[in-house]
Amino acid sequence: KNQVEQSPQSLIILEGKNCTLQCNYTVSPFSNLRWYKQDTGRGPVSLTIMTFSENTKSNGRYTATLDADTKQSSLHITASQLSDSASYICVVSARSGGSYIPTFGRGTSLIVHP
Amino acid sequence: NAGVMQNPRHLVRRRGQEARLRCSPMKGHSHVYWYRQLPEEGLKFMVYLQKENIIDESGMPKERFSAEFPKEGPSILRIQQVVRGDSAAYFCASSDRGTNTGELFFGEGSRLTVL
Repeated sequence: KNQVEQSPQSLIILEGKNCTLQCNYTVSPFSNLRWYKQDTGRGPVSLTIMTFSENTKSNGRYTATLDADTKQSSLHITASQLSDSASYICVVSARSGGSYIPTFGRGTSLIVHP
Repeated sequence: NAGVMQNPRHLVRRRGQEARLRCSPMKGHSHVYWYRQLPEEGLKFMVYLQKENIIDESGMPKERFSAEFPKEGPSILRIQQVVRGDSAAYFCASSDRGTNTGELFFGEGSRLTVL
C-alpha cells in the first residue's frame, strides 16, 4: 500500500528562523514528489516538483531535497516569514499506465510567530 | 487562463438532503480528482475521473456518494441523504496528462455544512 508520512505534525518557529520538514514515502513505481503549501481555507498550491533523478530543487526561500534510495524528502524554509504559516503537504505520485496516482501526506502545520 | 473553479464555495444542507458540488477543471485538463478534508486533517482521496470515465473510486464511500465528469460540462460530486459526518471541505484538482508531470492544480474548495 502506498503511504506518505510527514513529520513533524506541527511546528512553531519565530519569524526569521529556518526550519526543515520531513517526508518519508513508500510509493511504487515512483514518478515524482511534490511539496504543496495550503493556506488556511484555501486550496493547496504547488511549491516544487522533483523527479527520480533530482536531488535538490529551490524555489525562492524553499529548498526541497530528495533521496530516492532512502525514499525521503525534506523541505527547508529559510528566513521564515509570517506568511509561511500554512500546512505543507508532501505528495508522491506513482505512474499507473498513462496516468499518475498521487498519494498525499497528512501535512505539517507550520506556525511562524513574530 | 482561469484556474480550477469550484462552486458553490459554501453549501449548507439539512440531514437527508442532497449536496451537489461542481468542479470546472483548468482549460485543456482532462483529469479530475476529488478530495475531502476534515478540520485539522489532511486531504483524503475520493475519486479520480477522466472525461466520461471513473478511473479510481477507491476512496469514495460505496453508498450515497457518486461522481461524474461528462463529456460536456463540469465534474460533479453528488452526496445523497447527507449526514453530519459529511461536513467537510471538498477539493477538486485537475491535471493534464500531456504535460507528463502529474501536477495537480487545486480549486479553492467547497465547504459543506450539514445541520
